[in-house]
Amino acid sequence: QVQLQESGPGLVKPSGTLSLTCAVSGDSISTNYWWTWVRQPPGKGLQWIGEVYLDGSTNYNPSLKSRVTISVDKSKNQFSLKLSSVTAADTAVYYCATSTYYSLHHWGQGTLVAVSS
Amino acid sequence: EILLTQSPGTLSLSPGERATLSCRASQSVDSTYLAWYQQKAGQAPRLLIYGASTRATGIPDRFSGSRSGTDFTLTISRLEPEDFAVYYCQQYGRSPPEFTFGGGTKVEIK
Repeated sequence: QVQLQESGPGLVKPSGTLSLTCAVSGDSISTNYWWTWVRQPPGKGLQWIGEVYLDGSTNYNPSLKSRVTISVDKSKNQFSLKLSSVTAADTAVYYCATSTYYSLHHWGQGTLVAVSS
Repeated sequence: EILLTQSPGTLSLSPGERATLSCRASQSVDSTYLAWYQQKAGQAPRLLIYGASTRATGIPDRFSGSRSGTDFTLTISRLEPEDFAVYYCQQYGRSPPEFTFGGGTKVEIK
């Protein structure tokens, strides 16, 4: 059973870059999943950010595409999210997840990132 | 972009009652690409149903999913105390590839 754990700074300054890592355990990142990021602003619904496959292929939410980079590090069995030019609207709980059969089967516990000076 | 509209926004029911949650797509969605999640306060979402009607691993059979045209339904046959939560539907679009979520339905204790 794959397990996911997000890590990264809990506070980012406006105009800065949000950087998070998702550590994968219980399975190899070379498993046939798309590795995914989803976020949830406080008190609001879920928003898909994007996904990466083990060969480096990516798909991004069109509304975030210009600011997002998702990458995979097979040597460390982890994948990462970078979101640039952040504003207060990017304050959210960020989840990493696995995508297979067009749905998100495994989720990390989530990490809250606040954007504030 | 396909939009998903969930109704009602809030459902007030008692334990033991039947819950019927709706998710309407703005255009035709292949059943393969429709999923349902449960989210409890302070927790990550949990996959309940994928492919519109297939229960995910470990999900009790009181949860079921169905489809009628562009309307998808999640039914909880008899509510258990642990079922009171927020439920989201999700669809996967192929062109371009992206996931979108409905706004959620909160099932609360009456």
